[in-house]
Amino acid sequence: DIVMTQTPLSLSVTPGQPASISCKSSQSLLYSDGKTYLYWYLQKAGQPPQLLIYEASNRFSGVPDRFSGSGSGTDFTLKLSRVEAEDVGLYYCMQRLQPPWTFGQGTKVEIK
Amino acid sequence: EVQLVESGGGLVQPGGSLRLSCAASGFTFKNYAMTWVRQTPGKGLEWVSSIDESGGLTYYADSVKGRFTISRDNSENTLYLQMNSLRAEDTALYYCANAPAYWGQGTLVTVSS
Repeated sequence: DIVMTQTPLSLSVTPGQPASISCKSSQSLLYSDGKTYLYWYLQKAGQPPQLLIYEASNRFSGVPDRFSGSGSGTDFTLKLSRVEAEDVGLYYCMQRLQPPWTFGQGTKVEIK
Repeated sequence: EVQLVESGGGLVQPGGSLRLSCAASGFTFKNYAMTWVRQTPGKGLEWVSSIDESGGLTYYADSVKGRFTISRDNSENTLYLQMNSLRAEDTALYYCANAPAYWGQGTLVTVSS
């Protein structure tokens, strides 16, 4: 199974300041079709995960442009350029290169 | 608007069975693979099973293989998860997903005597 490791596991951020979360996979998520099967989600309290970034660096429809994804191979980063109060929750990375799809442990983001 | 509505969760004794359903709308169901993911406070998010568009290909997590069966009815736009031989560790909130983008609200399964 591909192991997904997120750091840090928690983050306290002042509104308006940037934040970043790292996700490392135990093997490359680049497939032969040229796509990288790495996704970022935000789960707010009492809600299902909502997709932020797909294929490592593509922002999903309706996601604010303060969210960005980067990385390749096994190392990935989610960046928030300016954290807002509505960005609190649990952030997860996920790979679906191959079953079993696997998730990172989650990073809890809170506002200072 | 894509909607996925899970049902069928509840309290069941160890060794018992449940069948979860997921009613899909707002997209052409028969054109998409579908997935079940579960979530527990202790273990986070765990992929359970996926099925291809036609229902001919299915995939399972090792933890449920041989006990759970995923299926779909494309004429009814419905996804199913038949869960047999349930264990305490299957207790979780089960999400239906048109992955990666669309998830339902989940249905809670509790396995306890």
